[in-house]
Amino acid sequence: EADIYQTPRYLVIGTGKKITLECSQTMGHDKMYWYQQDPGMELHLIHYSYGVNSTEKGDLSSESTVSRIRTEHFPLTLESARPSHTSQYLCASSSGLDTGELFFGEGSRLTVL
Amino acid sequence: AQKITQTQPGMFVQEKEAVTLDCTYDTSDPSYGLFWYKQPSSGEMIFLIYQGSYDQQNATEGRYSLNFQKARKSANLVISASQLGDSAMYFCAMRASPGSARQLTFGSGTQLTVLP
Repeated sequence: EADIYQTPRYLVIGTGKKITLECSQTMGHDKMYWYQQDPGMELHLIHYSYGVNSTEKGDLSSESTVSRIRTEHFPLTLESARPSHTSQYLCASSSGLDTGELFFGEGSRLTVL
Repeated sequence: AQKITQTQPGMFVQEKEAVTLDCTYDTSDPSYGLFWYKQPSSGEMIFLIYQGSYDQQNATEGRYSLNFQKARKSANLVISASQLGDSAMYFCAMRASPGSARQLTFGSGTQLTVLP
């Protein structure tokens, strides 16, 4: 069973607030990813990291930022939340070896009022 | 560029029957991997099955099997003996080059409903 955790699971917040979505994994994976998913829709990559101090933007443009100071931790931050940021955010990690399977967290559902 | 196409937005199947979820892909990479994930209404993504482009046999995992037709660029998921708990969104995904650090590209998903 994968050991990747996201908090909070659900967050309802007002416009203009700063939020940080936490993601931690205990598998020692170098590669970590953030996907954004609207309800019933496909996943879009917004950020990824190949290791400590490495972060890249994904295919979908996002106003969020990420950091990777420790291998196990990959938080996502929105400096000023807007209703257009309402979505589910899924964190994943991969060892990059074998099949390259992604292990996903349970997701963070963000609602911005 | 890679692309995954799932043409069935929704599917219904009777409990205990088999169902096939379609997936076609497009890539110029000579070596790639194909995945199927299940997403229940709770939101988490659950890995189901993997097929490497050079694997000689179709992958199987319990009630799940992957019907891989390389020439047609299709990687359909077959679920045998459907159960009510199989009702979920199913995503096909592809990653280029085994061991590549590149992320997965996902299809738009198929919502499967199993009827009692």
